[in-house]
Amino acid sequence: EAGVAQSPRYKIIEKRQSVAFWCNPISGHATLYWYQQILGQGPKLLIQFQNNGVVDDSQLPKDRFSAERLKGVDSTLKIQPAKLEDSAVYLCASSLLRPSGEQYFGPGTRLTVT
Amino acid sequence: AQRVTQPEKLLSVFKGAPVELKCNYSYSGSPELFWYVQYSRQRLQLLLRHISRESIKGFTADLNKGETSFHLKKPFAQEEDSAMYYCALIRNSGNTPLVFGKGTRLSVIA
Repeated sequence: EAGVAQSPRYKIIEKRQSVAFWCNPISGHATLYWYQQILGQGPKLLIQFQNNGVVDDSQLPKDRFSAERLKGVDSTLKIQPAKLEDSAVYLCASSLLRPSGEQYFGPGTRLTVT
Repeated sequence: AQRVTQPEKLLSVFKGAPVELKCNYSYSGSPELFWYVQYSRQRLQLLLRHISRESIKGFTADLNKGETSFHLKKPFAQEEDSAMYYCALIRNSGNTPLVFGKGTRLSVIA
């Protein structure tokens, strides 16, 4: 089966600019996650969708980050305006509903904010 | 709150030597524990999970609830084991996100 797709793979922007990332999960996976991975750290959840509804966005900096999952398939994550500390790899993952639970990760988007 | 601790940032071993990557967790309930691995230039992928109780690529991990540990072990390291390893947990209550440790980079020296 095709894996989780993400684009772009790399992005360099200046602080205060905006940026958007796209994710296409594995077909049939109802749950989609966005994680932020700062250099030297493990991935940290930003937001979790189940179909097109938000399950958990408690760690999403809502003053600058937004995400949507229209029609319960693709998702976009936006940052506006970006800060230097947003430099990280943004990972998208998807999974079937439980009991499987295994999350499949995309290749990630490496964001550099200068 | 859940927390996963991997005390070693880097672990270097010689080929053929035993490997143990340490992982400790804190969670008041009954979590599910996982090891994820990221090989060079590849995406993060599941290595094994405690409920499966299986050996993958020669690696095993036993959940010790008394010590709240889930250490990853392999009796004889191979060069292709060199990678970044992340211990992670999920709350055992529905479809929940992973909580990751900071990761340990394993380097197997020929």
